[in-house]
Amino acid sequence: EAGVVQSPRYKIIEKKQPVAFWCNPISGHNTLYWYLQNLGQGPELLIRYENEEAVDDSQLPKDRFSAERLKGVDSTLKIQPAELGDSAVYLCASSQAGVTADTQYFGPGTRLTVL
Amino acid sequence: QQQVKQSPQSLIVQKGGISIINCAYENTAFDYFPWYQQFPGKGPALLIAIRPDVSEKKEGRFTISFNKSAKQFSLHIMDSQPGDSATYFCAALGGSNYKLTFGKGTLLTVNP
Repeated sequence: EAGVVQSPRYKIIEKKQPVAFWCNPISGHNTLYWYLQNLGQGPELLIRYENEEAVDDSQLPKDRFSAERLKGVDSTLKIQPAELGDSAVYLCASSQAGVTADTQYFGPGTRLTVL
Repeated sequence: QQQVKQSPQSLIVQKGGISIINCAYENTAFDYFPWYQQFPGKGPALLIAIRPDVSEKKEGRFTISFNKSAKQFSLHIMDSQPGDSATYFCAALGGSNYKLTFGKGTLLTVNP
């Protein structure tokens, strides 16, 4: 079974430029998460989707961050414009519905460097 | 407000030794406590998890001990191996928004 797929794995941009990250969850997983992981810290939730609905986006900085999950499968996270402080690893995770819903499976992440 | 506190920040253990990482939580609404292992350049991977209705769970060399009254839980790695060298995160799930809250991580180094 393929895991969570993310691309690109690395991205280097200059501040004020836009950037987008893509995530393909594990097949059949209805719930999709985007996390931010700063160096030396644990992941922090940005947004959670149940199918195509964003059910928790309270931690998403909506002035510059946006996300979408069209058709309830793949998802894209966008930052526009990027700031120096956005340099971090952006992780995507997914989980099933039902009794195993608590287990989240993470992708490898996209490491963003903003110069 | 840090809802899950993890210690130590780093840990060095000799091969064959026991590694112990501790976590404490504040929110009594948490009802699922996983431990994740993360290697450099990789995403966190679920190692073992426990629910508060049991005090201990063992899977191979990995054991979670859970103390509900003290609101603490710990990971024990028996017979630690160099391949166990990684960052370990405790986490807790539950509460009104039912989101996974992570500790700050423990960098484990197992010397050969």
